[in-house]
Amino acid sequence: SQKIEQNSEALNIQEGKTATLTCNYTNYSPAYLQWYRQDPGRGPVFLLLIRENEKEKRKERLKVTFDTTLKQSLFHITASQPADSATYLCALIGTNAGGTSYGKLTFGQGTILTVHP
Amino acid sequence: GAGVSQSPSNKVTEKGKDVELRCDPISGHTALYWYRQSLGQGLEFLIYFQGNSAPDKSGLPSDRFSAERTGGSVSTLTIQRTQQEDSAVYLCASSERRIGANVLTFGAGSRLTVL
Repeated sequence: SQKIEQNSEALNIQEGKTATLTCNYTNYSPAYLQWYRQDPGRGPVFLLLIRENEKEKRKERLKVTFDTTLKQSLFHITASQPADSATYLCALIGTNAGGTSYGKLTFGQGTILTVHP
Repeated sequence: GAGVSQSPSNKVTEKGKDVELRCDPISGHTALYWYRQSLGQGLEFLIYFQGNSAPDKSGLPSDRFSAERTGGSVSTLTIQRTQQEDSAVYLCASSERRIGANVLTFGAGSRLTVL
């Protein structure tokens, strides 16, 4: 069955360090993968999208990698700040037997990141 | 509108009652999703609407749950004969339909508590 797993439920790091979050998937052939941030009491907010033919994508202090051989995406926050503390979710769209992506976006369970001052 | 609007933001109901949750997506967004998030859990897909196509209802947990989308815009999620395990935050999201890139904009959610 299709599964998305994020490496750990919680990650605690010191301010200024790089946070690395992992998203592994099985039985998907995603054309792209997305990362979202969710703060308590709010809906998730889109951060980055990376396509299957892209190895790496950057946006300010964020970097995402996508390895379709390992079936894994890594999400990095460099020079982390306490304001980066939130839950981070990866998400994939499934594909049908013909390889066409359809709209159902499935999320991992999320990793709670806490950045300590 | 400027964002995805959901109402009510909070709903407390008694077991066995029916509830309706409303979602007003971003104008022009053709795709609309409903997810459920229980306390401390990830997002559980419920249903997906895309334009005039038949909705993907594969995530609805039981026949007590139903959803409709009128005129390709506003959507209502209905839960009949609510149970305590239905207590959760119900999140709605919408997106433009692009080939290979459905980026979702979420509402703030409707928190349902079934007593």
